[in-house]
Amino acid sequence: DADVTQTPRNRITKTGKRIMLECSQTKGHDRMYWYRQDPGLGLRLIYYSFDVKDINKGEISDGYSVSRQAQAKFSLSLESAIPNQTALYFCATGRQGTGELFFGEGSRLTVL
Amino acid sequence: SQQGEEDPQALSIQEGENATMNCSYKTSINNLQWYRQNSGRGLVHLILIRSNEREKHSGRLRVTLDTSKKSSSLLITASRAADTASYFCATDASLNTGFQKLVFGTGTRLLVSP
Repeated sequence: DADVTQTPRNRITKTGKRIMLECSQTKGHDRMYWYRQDPGLGLRLIYYSFDVKDINKGEISDGYSVSRQAQAKFSLSLESAIPNQTALYFCATGRQGTGELFFGEGSRLTVL
Repeated sequence: SQQGEEDPQALSIQEGENATMNCSYKTSINNLQWYRQNSGRGLVHLILIRSNEREKHSGRLRVTLDTSKKSSSLLITASRAADTASYFCATDASLNTGFQKLVFGTGTRLLVSP
C-alpha cells in the first residue's frame, strides 16, 4: 500500500463547484504539503502544515483552503473551482530534520 | 516565483551515455535536492546535498553544488532506458529555522533511447 494516498486520482468538474482533494499518510510524518504542477511551471506550493495546529500559505494559496484533520490527514479545497485551477495536484509529507519529501501519486483535476 | 531553473529543458541521449542536468537558484539555501518524476506519477527523492557539501554520490548519480555560483548539477552515468523521466531540483531556503519548505524548479525532461 502507498505511504501517501491521494483521492480522487482523477476528477472532472464544472466551474463554480466545490471540490475537495484528500491526502492521508501512514509514514507518521508531522509535515504535510500541497503542491500544484502545471506544464512548464514545475511545482508550486499551495499550503503547508508542520503539525495539526499549524497551517501556512504557500506562494499560490488564493482560491484554495486546507484542513489538517489529524496528523495523518490533510485536505485541499477549492470553494468555487475555475478553469485555471485545472492542474495536477500533489500531496507530500516530510519529517523534521530529514529534508526529503515523500509524494503521493497525484490528483488530476479538470475544471470545465 | 520559481527558485530553481533547470537546464536544459529537454535532453535526448542513447543508452550508455552520460546525462548532465544543471540547476541554478537565486537565494542562499540550506540544502538542494533532486527528484525524479515518471510521466504523470508522483515525485521520488533521489539525493540531497547540504550547503556545506560540494559533491555527493549515490549509485550512478553524482551531484555537485557550487554555492558561490548558486548552481548544482546532476550527472547520471551509463544511462538506461528506464532513466527516462523528468528531473527536478528543489531548494530548501529555510536556513536555520528547522523547517523544510522546498521550492521546485521547472524540470529537465530526459529521454534515453535504447
